[in-house]
Amino acid sequence: GAVVSQHPSWVICKSGTSVKIECRSLDFQATTMFWYRQFPKQSLMLMATSNEGSKATYEQGVEKDKFLINHASLTLSTLTVTSAHPEDSSFYICSARIFSGLNNEQFFGPGTRLTVL
Amino acid sequence: QKEVEQNSGPLSVPEGAIASLNCTYSDRGSQSFFWYRQYSGKSPELIMSIYSNGDKEDGRFTAQLNKASQYVSLLIRDSQPSDSATYLCAVRAAGNKLTFGGGTRVLVKP
Repeated sequence: GAVVSQHPSWVICKSGTSVKIECRSLDFQATTMFWYRQFPKQSLMLMATSNEGSKATYEQGVEKDKFLINHASLTLSTLTVTSAHPEDSSFYICSARIFSGLNNEQFFGPGTRLTVL
Repeated sequence: QKEVEQNSGPLSVPEGAIASLNCTYSDRGSQSFFWYRQYSGKSPELIMSIYSNGDKEDGRFTAQLNKASQYVSLLIRDSQPSDSATYLCAVRAAGNKLTFGGGTRVLVKP
């Protein structure tokens, strides 16, 4: 399958600081990437859809000013958690969709575990 | 009613047996169907995709799709302890977004 990388894999920060997470599609171009959040023992929650060259589409209840998404190229999307607070501590996972004929599979990065102290 | 439903489990299966996982979905316009495996603390890993009615086999995995019944299943043959994980069913209708079920936890006992 296609490879999606994320950096960093984990981060610990102080409350009030901002954290940037990078998501890269390594062997394919991704016009669309997705950002998910997962709390312990819960299912994935889609936060936003990131579109290359345009504004991200946020899901209901997700603050766009707090979770800044930039999709500057076909292989890179970034999520910045601004003014992070302990309740933002979670597992953040990006995903990219690959188109191949009639198939359209979506692959996940390894995730970034954020801990806000 | 949830859009994609799965039994949360745990589904306990003896090593070497067949694990059978089920998933139902509500949107009749759904076109693409996926099974992901997620180990604890890790991100989901795509194991099967299926787009048309019938069976699709890949190694020890078989996905079955019945659009009329709005039902998709996953069979794991010769289950191994390493198959112990949460299996997520995901469905895509027209558009971009995948809708995930809550996942079924599978425990394969040696």
